[in-house]
Parts: sequence; C-alpha cells; structure tokens
Amino acid sequence: GQQVMQIPQYQHVQEGEDFTTYCNSSTTLSNIQWYKQRPGGHPVFLIQLVKSGEVKKQKRLTFQFGEAKKNSSLHITATQTTDVGTYFCAGQWNNFNKFYFGSGTKLNVKP
Amino acid sequence: DTEVTQTPKHLVMGMTNKKSLKCEQHMGHRAMYWYKQKAKKPPELMFVYSYEKLSINESVPSRFSPECPNSSLLNLHLHALQPEDSALYLCASSHKTARTPNEKLFFGSGTQLSVL
Repeated sequence: GQQVMQIPQYQHVQEGEDFTTYCNSSTTLSNIQWYKQRPGGHPVFLIQLVKSGEVKKQKRLTFQFGEAKKNSSLHITATQTTDVGTYFCAGQWNNFNKFYFGSGTKLNVKP
Repeated sequence: DTEVTQTPKHLVMGMTNKKSLKCEQHMGHRAMYWYKQKAKKPPELMFVYSYEKLSINESVPSRFSPECPNSSLLNLHLHALQPEDSALYLCASSHKTARTPNEKLFFGSGTQLSVL
C-alpha cells in the first residue's frame, strides 16, 4: 500500500533553534496535510498543501510541497516550548477518504 | 460546535468481553473514520464511513465491528479482543466525501483501550 516516510524520528533542540521535519512518498501525492499531536493528546490539523511547489506560512511555521508532489517539509523558526509534540504528515493519493500518516517526528524543546 | 466527542475515555476489558466505543460529531460532516494508534506510532486507518455507508475497511479483523447509526454517530463494537489490540482508538470526521482535496480531519480525544 501507499506509504509516507518521515524523518527524523526524534529531534531535541534548544529553545530558539530551528527545526525541520521531512516527508517523502515514492509515488505522486494528491495532497499532503500536517498534524500536530501534543503529549497525551490527539492529532490536530495544521495545514494542507495541494499544488506543486506550494509554500504556506503560519507565523513561525513554513510548509513546503515539492515540485513533483512526492515530498514535503515543515520548518519551525525559533522554536518555543509550546512547539513540543509529535508532527505527522498525512498523504492522500487518489482516494480522498484515505489519509496515510507518516511515522511522525517527536520534537522536544529544552528551555 | 467543532468537536468530536468520544466515550469512554478509558476502557479496560477482558478477552471474552463485549464492549463498544462511541463517537459523536455535530459539525454536519458526512465522512467518519476510526483510527488505531499504538504508543509512539502514527494513527493507522481502520474504517471509513461516507454518508453512513462503510466505504473503506483496511482489512481489519472481524473482532472489530463498526456501525454508523446516523450521520452524527459512529460506534466501534469490540468482541474477543487480544492483548495486542490495546491502543488509543481515535475517531475522526471530515466535511465532504466527494473527490475534493479540501478535506481535513477533526479528531476526537480518543479511547485508551487496555485488553487484559
């Protein structure tokens, strides 16, 4: 079945440092979404990317979708302790009711 | 109301028990989902309902039986589970079921299930 690979698995940063997580699919995606799950919480939708080469920003978060629509990244500038959690990408192919999650990147921010 | 409500929050059951997980949303969403999440793992898709009809079953064992009584409710009936079925069970909903890329998932807070 379809898979989305996500790296790194873990990232420990000092508060104020930047953070990036990457997702990669072996086949072309219809779109990709990003979710954040706080410890003990449930996934919360952050953004959706649909167009080839799309870049979207939300305050300190920058999301990119590759030109071939096979990869995506989430970059956080100047991390804060409130950024702690696991960030998942979720890919969709032809069936828009199927969301397949990447393995997630757990971010820990040291104050 | 932008919430997906799941009950119970915690459930402990034996391997011979029958129990049900419940999920409710009042956002008018017509697609509802069950996901299973093991510790430190991503959510894994189990079932999708579109307009109250089962549209996707990701080869889930028959000891898990989903039900969608109406557009706001989703149940997951559990019977003869195994200890390895212990996990966080997440319900989610999304607005449309047409072939549109403008979907996003709204998750409930989940039911933490332990099978003894």
